[in-house]
Amino acid sequence: EDQVTQSPEALRLQEGESSSLNCSYTVSGLRGLFWYRQDPGKGPEFLFTLYSAGEEKEKERLKATLTKKESFLHITAPKPEDSATYLCAVHSSASKIIFGSGTRLSIRP
Amino acid sequence: DAGVIQSPRHEVTEMGQEVTLRCKPISGHDYLFWYRQTMMRGLELLIYFNNNVPIDDSGMPEDRFSAKMPNASFSTLKIQPSEPRDSAVYFCASSYGGAITNEQFFGPGTRLTVL
Repeated sequence: EDQVTQSPEALRLQEGESSSLNCSYTVSGLRGLFWYRQDPGKGPEFLFTLYSAGEEKEKERLKATLTKKESFLHITAPKPEDSATYLCAVHSSASKIIFGSGTRLSIRP
Repeated sequence: DAGVIQSPRHEVTEMGQEVTLRCKPISGHDYLFWYRQTMMRGLELLIYFNNNVPIDDSGMPEDRFSAKMPNASFSTLKIQPSEPRDSAVYFCASSYGGAITNEQFFGPGTRLTVL
């Protein structure tokens, strides 16, 4: 059965303290892995799509990487405005889109 | 561009009533998605359309749920009859470029409460 697991559930960092969020997946053929950011009371906002192992993408303080079993979202020198829930999702060869439960990130000034 | 528009933003109804949620995707987008988000189950894909045609509705929880897309600028998600367990935030999203893996633009959501 296709599955997406994100860890940790919640992460509190000091401003400037770099860290990584994990997304582990088990799918019947990966067509794409997505990262989204969601602020309270709003819809998710697209960050990245990764398609194959070894691929990396960057946007400001965020960098996403992909292996055959997991993806990492690295946050470098985060700022308070990076506080949000980060969602990972996969698109499988069965044309399913499955979201993980998310990581709630809180950055203290 | 106004982005994806959803209405109503909040809906409170009683068990057994019919509920209709509406979505206007971004002009020119060829994919439209309906999602449901709850604390217990997270974000779940209910159904998606490509060029107004339903492609995968395997996420629709049961026959009480139905979705239509009569044209490229409008879609509805209907629940009849509604039950308290249907309480959730329902999101509509759209994307363009002919691939489901392209960036999805989400609307602000409709918060549904079924009493």
